[in-house]
Amino acid sequence: ETGVTQTPRHLVMGMTNKKSLKCEQHLGHNAMYWYKQSAKKPLELMFVYSLEERVENNSVPSRFSPECPNSSHLFLHLHTLQPEDSALYLCASSESDRGLTNEKLFFGSGTQLSVL
Amino acid sequence: AQSVAQPEDQVNVAEGNPLTVKCTYSVSGNPYLFWYVQYPNRGLQFLLKYITGDNLVKGSYGFEAEFNKSQTSFHLKKPSALVSDSALYFCAVSFFYNTDKLIFGTGTRLQVFP
Repeated sequence: ETGVTQTPRHLVMGMTNKKSLKCEQHLGHNAMYWYKQSAKKPLELMFVYSLEERVENNSVPSRFSPECPNSSHLFLHLHTLQPEDSALYLCASSESDRGLTNEKLFFGSGTQLSVL
Repeated sequence: AQSVAQPEDQVNVAEGNPLTVKCTYSVSGNPYLFWYVQYPNRGLQFLLKYITGDNLVKGSYGFEAEFNKSQTSFHLKKPSALVSDSALYFCAVSFFYNTDKLIFGTGTRLQVFP
């Protein structure tokens, strides 16, 4: 167990649905991340929050909307998704360490999303 | 452009034999290099990292990696493979002082046969 919990583990949704992915970290970290993992593609960094402020948004479509209400919780709100959005969505956390040696990321087990 | 390449989609090795999973990178300046492993139905787990110093880095589960600046490589190695090492391995590189810019490779599936 890495200390990062994601729910649900699996999600099937239609293109007109609205759903949310949840991530919770119990490690006392200050930075949280959303990654998209698709088969045979590099992990794609979607969003980064550091000290509850969004610091990175890699040109992600607006149908993905992140929310970070506090340093322990991170959400990804989904609406009007497309079939090509089907993927494993991974949450991660780390110490916020700007200016210092890179710290490792701690990942959750992911949410396997299927868009029909 | 900053990038990392894992040239092999899959590596097959017999249990007890040495294993190598390859990674090459392209970054400006001095890289920070990482290996992560993903077991089935799990998130990625940190294995090891190279920041500076000794070119041979030792990590979890008996894995090690060698930083080779002239060949811009950071291959993952283990002297004796176990069936339980079968998983998806990701190389990653950062070129700045934080993980916001961690760039992952496409992953290499390691299959260890009994």
